[in-house]
Amino acid sequence: KNEVEQSPQNLTAQEGEFITINCSYSVGISALHWLQQHPGGGIVSLFMLSSGKKKHGRLIATINIQEKHSSLHITASHPRDSAVYICAVVSPRGNYQLIWGAGTKLIIKP
Amino acid sequence: DTAVSQTPKYLVTQMGNDKSIKCEQNLGHDTMYWYKQDSKKFLKIMFSYNNKELIINETVPNRFSPKSPDKAHLNLHINSLELGDSAVYFCASSQDWLAGGPGTDTQYFGPGTRLTVL
Repeated sequence: KNEVEQSPQNLTAQEGEFITINCSYSVGISALHWLQQHPGGGIVSLFMLSSGKKKHGRLIATINIQEKHSSLHITASHPRDSAVYICAVVSPRGNYQLIWGAGTKLIIKP
Repeated sequence: DTAVSQTPKYLVTQMGNDKSIKCEQNLGHDTMYWYKQDSKKFLKIMFSYNNKELIINETVPNRFSPKSPDKAHLNLHINSLELGDSAVYFCASSQDWLAGGPGTDTQYFGPGTRLTVL
């Protein structure tokens, strides 16, 4: 079982829908990242969370440390949001491992 | 201006060759990273440098060696390339090694270098 699990693996939705992507982890962490990888391969760091909630434009990220769970929400989704969304956690064991989820492939149809 | 740049974008080479991938960041960050993205799209951290010191060295073959001439550059040298080295390699940087350790600050990624070993 992977230490960082994302769900769903694939998500197809219509433009305008509210999107939720989930990330659960089984290790102690000091921080969690949400990243976006575009079809061309480029990666953009969206959020870094250690507690609570962050908002940037139409993107909202939340984390519940006790439940070891984080969610990424997209409001008023748009076809340009189509990408792979990756959750990664920073585990302070050893030399501070970065443990990556497998990603969620999101397709927004017009 | 590009924040994190990598060259080349594509690299096709024969087995056994030695190659380098360059990375430069103009953000004034102190920490830089190299990641390998495998065929299943998993990202695995390979190296991290903070103020020219290696602070993470995951279990990677010693054919891979990072070289940092200054804090704005972290180059990746690969000796005796093997077929399994084919992947996309990403460089990234972050402001600092904060109290929580490397990776606890927002990271900025380069565009990636697609390496194909024939």
